[in-house]
Amino acid sequence: DTGVSQNPRHKITKRGQNVTFRCDPISEHNRLYWYRQTLGQGPEFLTYFQNEAQLEKSRLLSDRFSAERPKGSFSTLEIQRTEQGDSAMYLCASGNRGLFQETQYFGPGTRLLVL
Amino acid sequence: DQQVKQNSPSLSVQEGRISILNCDYTNSMFDYFLWYKKYPAEGPTFLISISSIKDKNEDGRFTVFLNKSAKHLSLHIVPSQPGDSAVYFCAARQPIRETSGSRLTFGEGTQLTVNP
Repeated sequence: DTGVSQNPRHKITKRGQNVTFRCDPISEHNRLYWYRQTLGQGPEFLTYFQNEAQLEKSRLLSDRFSAERPKGSFSTLEIQRTEQGDSAMYLCASGNRGLFQETQYFGPGTRLLVL
Repeated sequence: DQQVKQNSPSLSVQEGRISILNCDYTNSMFDYFLWYKKYPAEGPTFLISISSIKDKNEDGRFTVFLNKSAKHLSLHIVPSQPGDSAVYFCAARQPIRETSGSRLTFGEGTQLTVNP
């Protein structure tokens, strides 16, 4: 399977705990994106990596959120001191090499529930 | 502000008929538009796209139309099949300056139900 994979698929945690999600992009894609989706809404952009460099962050990404892509391959998204409002689906996408017509391909997502 | 809007939260059609899903946008900087299909508990699956320099793109049963002057795009599915039942998201691409990446802005989605 050469698609985008994400782990875990589901995470239940208590408020105040830290959680970490992992994304493995399509191997030949150098661009990786994180989005968040809440019920009844479309996905919202969080952050973007080109290789290992984090080049763009949304204002939705508070200081409790940190993302890394240390070797330019897989990426992790950590949420510290989780709050109930962090409950959402966290989606990872990777982009192909086309400069003008990039298509982003999404993984299955990690559904987070903060109790 | 909602830069991409899908005003119909749901649409129901009969199998074999045409499904038309609509999307409006406000940002003139968007240069590429995509439609994604999403089943419950899965990530969005890419369906079809169109560049802002075109007004139509067709792929099998799926056709996307873009009206730049009206800032409106639509997805036509013909003939519709029960397996097409899913949530459809319209997304618009905005380049990220000084990089080759982009961010997508999504609409709220339209739940399509195709009845046998």
